[in-house]
Amino acid sequence: DQQVKQNSPSLSVQEGRISILNCDYTNSMFDYFLWYKKYPAEGPTFLISISSIKDKNEDGRFTVFLNKSAKHLSLHIVPSQPGDSAVYFCAAIPRGTGNQFYFGTGTSLTVIP
Amino acid sequence: EPEVTQTPSHQVTQMGQEVILRCVPISNHLYFYWYRQILGQKVEFLVSFYNNEISEKSEIFDDQFSVERPDGSNFTLKIRSTKLEDSAMYFCASSGDSSGANVLTFGAGSRLTVL
Repeated sequence: DQQVKQNSPSLSVQEGRISILNCDYTNSMFDYFLWYKKYPAEGPTFLISISSIKDKNEDGRFTVFLNKSAKHLSLHIVPSQPGDSAVYFCAAIPRGTGNQFYFGTGTSLTVIP
Repeated sequence: EPEVTQTPSHQVTQMGQEVILRCVPISNHLYFYWYRQILGQKVEFLVSFYNNEISEKSEIFDDQFSVERPDGSNFTLKIRSTKLEDSAMYFCASSGDSSGANVLTFGAGSRLTVL
């Protein structure tokens, strides 16, 4: 049961342009969302998060938008840099837990110099 | 910067053999996790551990799996009798320092290959 979905397995963007990575979820109990970035041969590293009480959170070049009615969130990276090339995972946590993270399948971002 | 360390980085084993994957979580973290990623698939939750006991486990975490925190620093995942389908990347993670419990810090992973 895929409760967190990333429908685009890959994305290519020119350096300097905006990268938009999308994530959809089905469980209305999710109330905290995170994005992780993963380089080959490394574990996922935390990038940015958002609580369900917000619709936007910004950290430098990274902004996460949450649309609760659509059960959709997105990660915007602007401007994109070649070092941003990695696999990006969306993750969600159900209300009342805090232990079990549900991950999407990931989107591989390639930023072309 | 504090990190989660995992050993071994890669283990090859025969089907039916026991495997122990080791992790050293970040020292002031309180929650410990194992996740796995089968090649080309999503990262899947296996188990979480808090206060010296399992707090949650998934359907994947059946009787052939066990976790232990044998001392104050190590957190291990044991697979009692490995199957071919256990071949995956196993990630240890920890969370729960004073800044909050929701951000997982992952290790680099242990690749398990079952032949």
